[in-house]
Amino acid sequence: EVQLVESGGVLVQPGGSLRLSCAASGFMFSSYRMNWVRQAQGKGLEWVSYIGIGSSPIYYSESAKGRFTISRDNAKNSVFLQMNSLRAEDTAVYYCARDSGKSGIFDFWGQGTLVTVSS
Amino acid sequence: QSALTQEASVSGTVGQKVTLSCVGNSNNIGSQAVGWYQQISHGGPQTVMLGNSLPSGIPDRFSGSKSGTTASLTISGLQPEDEAVYYCSTWDHSLSTHVFGGGTKLTVL
Repeated sequence: EVQLVESGGVLVQPGGSLRLSCAASGFMFSSYRMNWVRQAQGKGLEWVSYIGIGSSPIYYSESAKGRFTISRDNAKNSVFLQMNSLRAEDTAVYYCARDSGKSGIFDFWGQGTLVTVSS
Repeated sequence: QSALTQEASVSGTVGQKVTLSCVGNSNNIGSQAVGWYQQISHGGPQTVMLGNSLPSGIPDRFSGSKSGTTASLTISGLQPEDEAVYYCSTWDHSLSTHVFGGGTKLTVL
């Protein structure tokens, strides 16, 4: 059974940093591209970042570019999102999502981890 | 404003057929497969359509199609448990970003 379990979401002050983790199981992680998607309360889904199989290519949304860094460790079946210079508007539930291999659309999602940026 | 355009809300009665649409352009829907995701209140998203393929475990009353730059998700024989917000998404090769629609709230009357 495919499982994606996010962790690392906490309350952080504006300007602070946070590292989210997503632990994958139930499939050959090293063969799949991965993504981070977020959702602010009461809002829609917003794609954040993508990482290829061998950590390349990497893409970011405009809101994440220059502040967030996606990475993966295939030996640990994990993908990470390092978030720096956090702003109030980064407050959201962050989901890890597996790329299906079809045009980058997602086939499995984690349950999400809540990041709150507030003083 | 979302890159893909969806109806804000759609409603139907139990047993009815409903179709949700997702409008894009030639750089996204026009040249890429589209994913559809169901989000029931306070839950995480679940994939209900991968292009025109049904993921394992999703009832076959769900079907997907595409014509030009518009993708559609059809639910035949609407059930109360289908009430949710549905999002469409795909890759935009011009922007090199993944794009989502704003979501359609489906109400089962």
